[in-house]
Amino acid sequence: GQQLNQSPQSMFIQEGEDVSMNCTSSSIFNTWLWYKQDPGEGPVLLIALYKAGELTSNGRLTAQFGITRKDSFLNISASIPSDVGIYFCAGISNSGYALNFGKGTSLLVTP
Amino acid sequence: KAGVTQTPRYLIKTRGQQVTLSCSPISGHRSVSWYQQTPGQGLQFLFEYFSETQRNKGNFPGRFSGRQFSNSRSEMNVSTLELGDSALYLCASSLAGSGGALRETQYFGPGTRLLVL
Repeated sequence: GQQLNQSPQSMFIQEGEDVSMNCTSSSIFNTWLWYKQDPGEGPVLLIALYKAGELTSNGRLTAQFGITRKDSFLNISASIPSDVGIYFCAGISNSGYALNFGKGTSLLVTP
Repeated sequence: KAGVTQTPRYLIKTRGQQVTLSCSPISGHRSVSWYQQTPGQGLQFLFEYFSETQRNKGNFPGRFSGRQFSNSRSEMNVSTLELGDSALYLCASSLAGSGGALRETQYFGPGTRLLVL
């Protein structure tokens, strides 16, 4: 599978700040997914995007499916300590069923 | 609705042994995918099963194999374990079948952490 370019690699922020991370690919994807993984656990689906240009929110989280279908971003507003974890983007291309993952963004939030 | 379950959660084996991991998908989900997660390589796709057939396969050696049963439960087997096989093995399920992207969205289990000594 193809490795997506996810940035930043890590973020260290204060509680209450907004966070933005993004993923880019050289290939077109039909679906973009954002997951959060806590230590020792499996990734939990946060937001799923199925259409180019789509903007979807889930509480304090907002994600967008890039219009070129080669990128996506995730924003977290007013971060809280429980937002700590690793956030992964994943894409599904038209030609396959496997998820192509980014390397993850490690988020640390200080009170 | 219960989520994806994986057993065992933790496993310690020695080099040369073989191991079988089990995954029960969300009820009604027909596709099961397996991933290996390591700090160095991140999340890598192993294979995907749908209706008891391997539908997609990643770039892993033949020591890694799997199967799916008629109730959609899946097992993954690794033979002749190597130190580098130490990883978190994740299973994910999706509705799959016809119907578009929504049915391909994958939901993960908690993983099986395998340590090879």
